Amino acid sequence: GESVGLHLPTLSVQEGDNSIINCAYSNSASDYFIWYKQESGKGPQFIIDIRSNMDKRQGQRVTVLLNKTVKHLSLQIAATQPGDSAVYFCAENAGNNRKLIWGLGTSLAVNP
Amino acid sequence: DAMVIQNPRYQVTQFGKPVTLSCSQTLNHNVMYWYQQKSSQAPKLLFHYYDKDFNNEADTPDNFQSRRPNTSFCFLDIRSPGLGDAAMYLCATSRGLLDGYTFGSGTRLTVV
Repeated sequence: GESVGLHLPTLSVQEGDNSIINCAYSNSASDYFIWYKQESGKGPQFIIDIRSNMDKRQGQRVTVLLNKTVKHLSLQIAATQPGDSAVYFCAENAGNNRKLIWGLGTSLAVNP
Repeated sequence: DAMVIQNPRYQVTQFGKPVTLSCSQTLNHNVMYWYQQKSSQAPKLLFHYYDKDFNNEADTPDNFQSRRPNTSFCFLDIRSPGLGDAAMYLCATSRGLLDGYTFGSGTRLTVV
């Protein structure tokens, strides 16, 4: 399954499938990007980050891809599990004040 | 093992009655942030401290204040809570402004 950024805030996938969550960022000067996972009733949890001098970074079952040309960021989750069900936020760090700018979030639902 | 601890997890306060939320960290991070998060929305930054330097967001109401008496603790004071202030309040820390954030579990504030 695939989510197209802000226009598709809910993504439903089957357990075991790969998930792709997309994010369009706003500031071409952004040089640091982070994906957070937020489960219901909990604070956001860091998943993976990437700096602008890279276009791909892999973690355990997760991969982040960065396309600076089109200002696009994606999070790929391999072999999605029920425990991956959460809201996923992308965030960019930019500007002189280095604040995080948050995307709207995508809700991932994993069907058993 | 908790590194950013927020107390209490749930807080009920009366309309107009001052309330204080607390955050402590064991990471020795320089920066501490307070975010407000309403249902199905991204966290909204209220303010942050870089060491002892306080940085308020331009759109944070005067009703919200913060104190950081030492590196480990940071407080959010809501002077006169209104019904619209009911939300999840998240504390986060980072080593510097260019680093990833560690979030606490949040305090869910209810105003009655």
